[in-house]
Order: sequence, then structure tokens, then C-alpha cells
Amino acid sequence: QKEVEQNSGPLSVPEGAIASLNCTYSDRVSQSFFWYRQYSGKSPELIMSIYSNGDKEDGRFTAQLNKASQYVSLLIRDSQPSDSATYLCAVNPSSNTGKLIFGQGTTLQVKP
Amino acid sequence: DVKVTQSSRYLVKRTGEKVFLECVQDMDHENMFWYRQDPGLGLRLIYFSYDVKMKEKGDIPEGYSVSREKKERFSLILESASTNQTSMYLCASSLPPAAGELFFGEGSRLTVL
Repeated sequence: QKEVEQNSGPLSVPEGAIASLNCTYSDRVSQSFFWYRQYSGKSPELIMSIYSNGDKEDGRFTAQLNKASQYVSLLIRDSQPSDSATYLCAVNPSSNTGKLIFGQGTTLQVKP
Repeated sequence: DVKVTQSSRYLVKRTGEKVFLECVQDMDHENMFWYRQDPGLGLRLIYFSYDVKMKEKGDIPEGYSVSREKKERFSLILESASTNQTSMYLCASSLPPAAGELFFGEGSRLTVL
């Protein structure tokens, strides 16, 4: 059974701090990795994708991938209360289908 | 911007009724998906389509069927609704080669009584 594991949280950080969200996956042949943000009562939206080992930065967000350790993380710098949401890690075992396996999500609370 | 539109935001149906959930995307995406999302279980793939009239089962296809007669439209059908199909249903689309970059609709919350 292919799995994606996340700590459900809640992860609570003060405004302005760095929030670190972690995810591990079981399928070694996974090719691409995604972070989706889901506000309460809303549908998920893509915030980061990462396809190769290392770091990828986009504004305040940095995704980190380590395929050898089967680990992907999301760092949010200068966290804002508007970042409070559930963050879903998703893994694409096959590069072309988009049939993602989602983790159950980590709830982030950013306190003013 | 990509827009994925789901026909109904909220539905209430009775056990045994046939239910149609419709999804339309306006960006000419090849891939379309139906997921359901339940507390504690996360997002689970029901069906996937990579082309008109093509479909593949996802992780939980039992009790569901799909139809894709046109590229922009992907329908989820519950032939005989049951209470355990009460859930949030999410449609998504994507465009290869960025197949995992999904665009989601707003969701359809179905309650089966």
C-alpha cells in the first residue's frame, strides 16, 4: 500500500516565525511531489510542486525534497495569520497520470 | 485562470436515489479526476479520465461510475446512493506533463439520508 504520512498537528507558530511542515512517503519510484493548501470549507489549491532533489523557493515558501530519505518538507517564512490552513502533501507515483496519493494534512495555526 | 465548475455545492438525497455530479473545466485539460474527502480519511481518488471516453478506476470506485463524453465535462454517477456515500466530492483537472498540478472545483457536499 503506497502511503503518504504527515503529522496532523495542529502546528502552532507565532506570526513572523518559520513554519516547518513535513511529509514522508513509502513508494521509492515516486516522481513528483506537491503541496496543497486547504482553507476550512474550501477546496485544495496548489502552492508548490517539486520534481528533483533539493530546494525550490517561491516567495515565502520553500519546498525541500530528499528522495533518498523519502522525505519532502514545506517551509513557510514570515508566517502570517492568513497562512492558517491545512497543508496537504501529495505524491505522484507515476510521472504522467496525476493520480496523486494525498497525506491527511497538517493543520497550521499562525497566532498573531 | 483555470476554472473548474461543479454543478451543485450542496445536495441532499435519499438512499437508493440515482445521483449525478457534474464537473466542467474551461482550460482544455486532458486529465480529470473525482475525489472524495472525509474527515480522518483524507482525499481518496474515485475515478480518473485522461481523455474523452477513457476512464480508470481509482482507489475507491465501488458504488460509482463516471462519464466523459466531452473533453471539458466529467460526470460522477452514484447509481443507488447509500448513507456511506455522504461526503465532500471534489472534481479536479490537470494538463500533462504537469499532471500532478491539479486544479480543484469548489466541491459538492452530498448528504444521503
